[in-house]
Amino acid sequence: DVKVTQSSRYLVKRTGEKVFLECVQDMDHENMFWYRQDPGLGLRLIYFSYDVKMKEKGDIPEGYSVSREKKERFSLILESASTNQTSMYLCASRVDQEKLFFGSGTQLSVL
Amino acid sequence: QQPVQSPQAVILREGEDAVINCSSSKALYSVHWYRQKHGEAPVFLMILLKGGEQKGHEKISASFNEKKQQSSLYLTASQLSYSGTYFCGGGSNYKLTFGKGTLLTVNP
Repeated sequence: DVKVTQSSRYLVKRTGEKVFLECVQDMDHENMFWYRQDPGLGLRLIYFSYDVKMKEKGDIPEGYSVSREKKERFSLILESASTNQTSMYLCASRVDQEKLFFGSGTQLSVL
Repeated sequence: QQPVQSPQAVILREGEDAVINCSSSKALYSVHWYRQKHGEAPVFLMILLKGGEQKGHEKISASFNEKKQQSSLYLTASQLSYSGTYFCGGGSNYKLTFGKGTLLTVNP
């Protein structure tokens, strides 16, 4: 089975800190995604990547950046965390136009 | 840019049927459906591709009207395990964006 692993299940950070959320997949998928999930707002796409070092902005990229130096790893970076970035963050991967495989999520709290 | 889902919430008794709708203002190459239970990651249900191909759960059916950019998920003879939030996702090229979700509750 495909495994998408997010490094932390829960994370607490202070306002202004630089935060790294890591995601690793083990099935050689080209495409990787970062979503945030907030009550009533569904899953909103932050960034996605269709190849190593290739990235594109999603619908809500402000305040975030990403890095994909290796095919299996896709990192989400909050340069200066703010309280409105408190959320559940979900990473996902897939091959071509096939189904998404999701990680178990990181609940980030910014105090 | 998010697909629009309706209804926002629905409550059923076990054995009843439900339809969840999804529409997009942008042309879609594919429509995805996922179900998420509280505290868990979304789980794949179905993909509907342009041209009529479908891949997914044997017990769940869906349709995709390419001309109208609308999709519907049909849940028949609902079971308690069907409870959860259903998301539709619209795909074009590599991007995949989701609607706000439909909360389905199935009661005994």
